[in-house]
Order: sequence, then C-alpha cells, then structure tokens
Amino acid sequence: EAGVTQSPTHLIKTRGQQATLRCSPISGHTSVYWYQQALGLGLQFLLWYDEGEERNRGNFPPRFSGRQFPNYSSELNVNALELEDSALYLCAIQGGYTFGSGTRLTVV
Amino acid sequence: GQQLNQSPQSMFIQEGEDVSMNCTSSSIFNTWLWYKQDPGEGPVLLIALYKAGELTSNGRLTAQFGITRKDSFLNISASIPSDVGIYFCAGPAFIQGAQKLVFGQGTRLTINP
Repeated sequence: EAGVTQSPTHLIKTRGQQATLRCSPISGHTSVYWYQQALGLGLQFLLWYDEGEERNRGNFPPRFSGRQFPNYSSELNVNALELEDSALYLCAIQGGYTFGSGTRLTVV
Repeated sequence: GQQLNQSPQSMFIQEGEDVSMNCTSSSIFNTWLWYKQDPGEGPVLLIALYKAGELTSNGRLTAQFGITRKDSFLNISASIPSDVGIYFCAGPAFIQGAQKLVFGQGTRLTINP
C-alpha cells in the first residue's frame, strides 16, 4: 500500500477558477505536508497540517489554503488561479520523508 | 534564511561513468537527505545522513555528511540508464518556529547509452 495517495493525477483549470487537490496518508500518520514544485524548480514548502490543525505555512498568498479531516486526509485549495500556479503539488508524510506522486495542476 | 545550493544543475554522462554532485549551505544542518525524482513522480528518499562525517551507501550510491555540517555529496558509481532523473538534497530547518524540509534546486542527470 502506498504511503501517500494523491488525487487527481492531473488537473486542468482556467485562470480565475478554484482547484481542489486531495491527499490521503497511510493509516497511522497524522501529519501532512504540502509542497509546490514549479517546472524546473525545487520543492517549496506550502502547508503543514497535524492533528487537524494548520501548524505552519510557507511564503504563499492566502489564495492557498487547506484543511485536514478527522481521518487525517487533507485538501489543498487554490483560489483565483493564476498562470504561475501551474506546478506539481506534492503531499508528504513522516516529516516530509515520504512523498506521494503528486497532482500536476495546469492553469490555462 | 537556510538555503541549499546544489551543483551541478545538470549532468550529461555516458553509461558506466561515475557521477558526483554536492550540496552546500551557509547554515548548519543536522540531517542531510538525498532524493531522486523520476518524471511525473514524487521524490523518493535514497539516503539519509544524521551525523557529521557519516558516509553511507545504498547499492551504487554513496553519500557523505560533511564535517562542517554545511555540505554533503552524493556519488553514483557505474551509472545505468535507470539512474536518469533529478536528484535533490534536502535538510530540516526550523523556520517560523516549525520544522520543515528545505530543498536544493536539484541536479538533472542525463545518461547517453
């Protein structure tokens, strides 16, 4: 069983729309980390959820938000999409040591 | 802030050659991590280093934690086609009161058969 499952695999949205990305950690892991990886760049820390609470966020505008559910799965929401939001969004557990395969978000 | 500088940015080598890449920081890191990312996938942890001077191997991969705790290198011996990908170094940093991973910019490895 994969440590982290992300959906959808790919998502295409129009500028100004909202995108919702999902992450499900394997049972027993209460912390979820979100990272953004823009094309050709390294990973940038976005958000950290633990026990249902947002514990920290990176240098991203408030358009990027999320939540963690009682089963510890998590959603990342990006509002008012901009072209530069196009990236691979990765979810991780175990302090960031184990990553999912990501959601490729394309904004057109 | 704590940043990791990774070099080289890209490498083009022949199959069978050895590869060396490194990561440096102006700040001390207590842990160094090396990941590999295949196209369309998330990074996969290859090697974790926890002690200054530590040298750790994983098959054909060898990584070292620098004595100053400000650098680390990754070597790949006798490269094969499946080694193609992007290699990232990373380390945990306390930023705004919380621990998070800081990543280097990555080294893209291309292998000519």
